Amino acid sequence: NAGVTQTPKFQVLKTGQSMTLQCAQDMNHEYMSWYRQDPGMGLRLIHYSVGAGITDQGEVPNGYNVSRSTTEDFPLRLLSAAPSQTSVYFCASSYSDHYEQYFGPGTRLTVT
Amino acid sequence: AQSVSQHNHHVILSEAASLELGCNYSYGGTVNLFWYVQYPGQHLQLLLKYFSGDPLVKGIKGFEAEFIKSKFSFNLRKPSVQWSDTAEYFCAVNAPAGKSTFGDGTTLTVKP
Repeated sequence: NAGVTQTPKFQVLKTGQSMTLQCAQDMNHEYMSWYRQDPGMGLRLIHYSVGAGITDQGEVPNGYNVSRSTTEDFPLRLLSAAPSQTSVYFCASSYSDHYEQYFGPGTRLTVT
Repeated sequence: AQSVSQHNHHVILSEAASLELGCNYSYGGTVNLFWYVQYPGQHLQLLLKYFSGDPLVKGIKGFEAEFIKSKFSFNLRKPSVQWSDTAEYFCAVNAPAGKSTFGDGTTLTVKP
């Protein structure tokens, strides 16, 4: 099992550009989440999904979109990148909300 | 809304010292509690978890945590730390419906 995979590992964007961070898991987990990690602020939930076709907002959803067309994939779209979105982004999956999450290796995004 | 508070932002210990990291959560319902660890340059991985039953749970690498319901606490302990325990530690709460909340993290530095 590859677990949770994320691409790309690093990305530099200019303000206003858009891009999609990819996340995939091969554990048949229903629950998937996107977090951003900023120094001193822990992990903050951006969006999450409890199954294919179902998504909901987390703590910091503004500027991000998600969709979940399959159980395996949960891409995160930045619509118009801003310097405030410079962060490390982690995707995670879990069997259900009562179980631990498995994290991907992260994407380090810099917006200039 | 649920919240997680980690009291120590940065802890510095010498090898063989004992460790206790505080975690308090705020949530009125049934929760599942977790400690995750992030070693330098790596993604988060599970250290230990509490779902129900014995409030003293044991995890990997000699870590343990005690759930005290009356104090809404889930403190992490290790009797004797090693240099390889240098990492960032996150306490997390899973509430129903898929929303997870993480604390801000505690950076542990162990001096050899």
